[in-house]
Amino acid sequence: DAGVIQSPRHEVTEMGQEVTLRCKPISGHNSLFWYRQTMMRGLELLIYFNNNVPIDDSGMPEDRFSAKMPNASFSTLKIQPSEPRDSAVYFCASSYLYGLDTEAFFGQGTRLTVV
Amino acid sequence: TQLLEQSPQFLSIQEGENLTVYCNSSSVFSSLQWYRQEPGEGPVLLVTVVTGGEVKKLKRLTFQFGDARKDSSLHITAAQPGDTGLYLCATEGGSEKLVFGKGTKLTVNP
Repeated sequence: DAGVIQSPRHEVTEMGQEVTLRCKPISGHNSLFWYRQTMMRGLELLIYFNNNVPIDDSGMPEDRFSAKMPNASFSTLKIQPSEPRDSAVYFCASSYLYGLDTEAFFGQGTRLTVV
Repeated sequence: TQLLEQSPQFLSIQEGENLTVYCNSSSVFSSLQWYRQEPGEGPVLLVTVVTGGEVKKLKRLTFQFGDARKDSSLHITAAQPGDTGLYLCATEGGSEKLVFGKGTKLTVNP
């Protein structure tokens, strides 16, 4: 398996534009996580899906952020409208839950810059 | 959500030195994981500790889980430049979601 695949790797956009980040999890994994990483706040969990269903979206900063998982092999994180403070590295991770030894496999991230 | 405190935040040492980084919480961990993140990459799992007092070794890395399962440490012996990276601890933060500390950024200078 190629691992978790995220696209694009880099995105530069103007304030107010819509941004869509994409993620393909590892085949067979039933959990998918979206994280945002900044120097100030570290790695923050935004939303978590299990079997394509959003379980916990308490980390989504505000209504400008939305995430979908239409099937087991694809998820998107959308920001509309984008703002400069959204600039960060966004990671997608997937795992197969099997109790205390869950390992999360991360993609390489999308570096988002909003100017 | 369980909060994870990691220390130190930054650590810069010379090749060959030993170091220890820490992960603490006011709550008991169900289990604890250590990840390493290299620049431009996502975090990669190093180890999972589950039992209080548990010690695991991975080459020059020694991971220890506190007896009360509220703290953990990572000790690196004879650090090498290849050990440079962000070391993150993580635990299950309710609803089977994975939450992370802010990490320790380690730089090993040749």
